[in-house]
Amino acid sequence: QLQLQESGPGLVKPSETLSLACSVSGDSISSNLYYWGWVRQPPGKGLEWIGTIYNSGSTYYNPPLKSRVTIYVDTSKNQFSLRLSSVTAADTAIYYCARLSMRKSALDYWGQGTLVTVSS
Amino acid sequence: QSALTQPPSASGSPGQSVTISCTGTSSDVGDYNYVSWYQQHPGKAPKLVIYEVSKRPSGVPDRFSGSKSGNTASLTVSGLQAEDEADYYCSSYAGRNNYVFGTGTKVTVL
Repeated sequence: QLQLQESGPGLVKPSETLSLACSVSGDSISSNLYYWGWVRQPPGKGLEWIGTIYNSGSTYYNPPLKSRVTIYVDTSKNQFSLRLSSVTAADTAIYYCARLSMRKSALDYWGQGTLVTVSS
Repeated sequence: QSALTQPPSASGSPGQSVTISCTGTSSDVGDYNYVSWYQQHPGKAPKLVIYEVSKRPSGVPDRFSGSKSGNTASLTVSGLQAEDEADYYCSSYAGRNNYVFGTGTKVTVL
C-alpha cells in the first residue's frame, strides 16, 4: 500500500525559506507512471496547487508561486521535497504531498498533511 | 489561472441526491476531460472520488457520479449518507502541466 509522509519544521520565520520533504513507501518514486506534487490549504480555506515533479527532474509550478518554489527529487531516499522562499503569513497552511497519476490525471494518493505556520 | 467556481454549500436529506457544480473556462474545464473531484472530511487529507470527469477509483461507491457540459462540470451524490457530509473540491487540468482547484463546497446531510 502506497504511503506518503510529510516532514519538516512546523514554524518558519517571515522572509525565511520553508522546506518540507515527502517520504514515499510502497512504490518507487522513479516510476514512469506518476508525477509527484505538493498542494497546500490555508486554515479554513480551499486547496491550492503548488507544483509537480517527474522522475526526470522536470518540474511544473503554479504561476503565482513560480518565482519562490523549488521542487526536487532524491531517488536514493525515495523522497521529494519542497522549498518555498521569502515566506509571509499568507504562506501559513497545511502542506500536502501527493501522487499524480498520469493515467488518471488526478491526485490518487495523499499524505496526511503537515501544518506550517509562518510567524516570528 | 483563477480558481474554478463552486457553490459554497449544498445540502440534502439522507437518501436524497445532491449535485455540485464546478465552473471554469474554455482554457481548463471546457478544453480537457481531465476534471477530478476530491472529498475532504474535517482534519483529513482529500480523497479522490472522481477522475476524468466521470470515472470512479476502485472502492468509491457508485453513488458518486460526474459529468461535464461545456465549461461546467458536476458531481452528483445519490442516496446521501451521513458519511458523505464533507467538503468537496473539483480540479481541472489547465494545460502546460498546470492544474487548478475549485473553491470548494461544503455538503451537509440534513
